[in-house]
Amino acid sequence: LAKTTQPISMDSYEGQEVNITCSHNNIATNDYITWYQQFPSQGPRFIIQGYKTKVTNEVASLFIPADRKSSTLSLPRVSLSDTAVYYCLVGGGNTGKLIFGQGTTLQVKP
Amino acid sequence: EAQVTQNPRYLITVTGKKLTVTCSQNMNHEYMSWYRQDPGLGLRQIYYSMNVEVTDKGDVPEGYKVSRKEKRNFPLILESPSPNQTSLYFCASRGGVGGYGYTFGSGTRLTVV
Repeated sequence: LAKTTQPISMDSYEGQEVNITCSHNNIATNDYITWYQQFPSQGPRFIIQGYKTKVTNEVASLFIPADRKSSTLSLPRVSLSDTAVYYCLVGGGNTGKLIFGQGTTLQVKP
Repeated sequence: EAQVTQNPRYLITVTGKKLTVTCSQNMNHEYMSWYRQDPGLGLRQIYYSMNVEVTDKGDVPEGYKVSRKEKRNFPLILESPSPNQTSLYFCASRGGVGGYGYTFGSGTRLTVV
């Protein structure tokens, strides 16, 4: 499974757009990029997944450049309730292995 | 409602007393997995299963057992719990091939004294 690198922490203010970038230089051809959100003492929650270009759902967008060596999770107009840890995971879908990195702790301030 | 259900939510036990944490999913998912989460160490995979009767070790399997006799259930067994297994445990499941869209349970906070 490809190793990922994310910033340890980020601060933002309510109403701003937040972009969290993840590096995954060793991504393989059949690997997907998936992001999770975790609140304290709760299980991680799936946010978004993509393979290439851009993916958008009701809560976030995921931007993946052509070389796929990085990806950016974009959270539009964050609120205090978006304060959480965000994990970027990279891997193929035909294995049960799932390795979480250290994640990015996002603190949204009023 | 599609969900992963773990029981119990909280458990305090004594060293050496065998225990089982149950996990059940109602989404007909093939893949199931157990994780533990500890401060400073993040989420670490204990065991995973890719289908009935197919299980494999994750990164920290020592001291744990699992079984997958039915598709919906994936219990985590601690034969002889020790204090270093005090942790927050999560079960997760997903269906088929094509990414990592796992659904996680609410967690089991285990304390071994």
